[in-house]
Amino acid sequence: GNSVTQMEGPVTLSEEAFLTINCTYTATGYPSLFWYVQYPGEGLQLLLKATKADDKGSNKGFEATYRKETTSFHLEKGSVQVSDSAVYFCALSFDYTGNQFYFGTGTSLTVIP
Amino acid sequence: ETGVTQSPTHLIKTRGQQVTLRCSSQSGHNTVSWYQQALGQGPQFIFQYYREEENGRGNFPPRFSGLQFPNYSSELNVNALELDDSALYLCASSLGQGDGYTFGSGTRLTVV
Repeated sequence: GNSVTQMEGPVTLSEEAFLTINCTYTATGYPSLFWYVQYPGEGLQLLLKATKADDKGSNKGFEATYRKETTSFHLEKGSVQVSDSAVYFCALSFDYTGNQFYFGTGTSLTVIP
Repeated sequence: ETGVTQSPTHLIKTRGQQVTLRCSSQSGHNTVSWYQQALGQGPQFIFQYYREEENGRGNFPPRFSGLQFPNYSSELNVNALELDDSALYLCASSLGQGDGYTFGSGTRLTVV
């Protein structure tokens, strides 16, 4: 089947610290991989995506590389800010009719000044 | 109009009742998906509509049903509510297959 596993939270970091949130996946085909972010009281916002192996998605200082050999898509940021505090979801999807997203359980990040 | 708007934002229902949640998609977005997000969990796919027809369904019973209208609005209906239906329900719309999705802020449903 298809599934996504994320590292357990919550994660608490000091401002300007390095962030890594691990994500691994199981898929029956060749999915696209995504990171979504959810701020309190809001819906999901697409943070970045990668559609094939070795692609690197990046946005707002966040990066993730699609690693087919390790079935991983770890999220990284070199220097986090207080405004990055949110819940981060790793997800996969296939590009076919009726496609759906398979989400991980989410990782809560709190950045303290 | 931009963005995806869901209503109501919060709702409390009694077990056994029926509920209708509404979503107004971005103009031109002919694909809409609904997700259920239980507390502390990731969203789970309920179903997807494309041009007013259901074209994908997750592992949810038939008492979860939907409609999509020509004006890109949609509804999620849940009959015979159970306590476990308490969750945040998210609507997401897209221009079509392969495009990115825009999520609404969700409806928080509490079943008591």
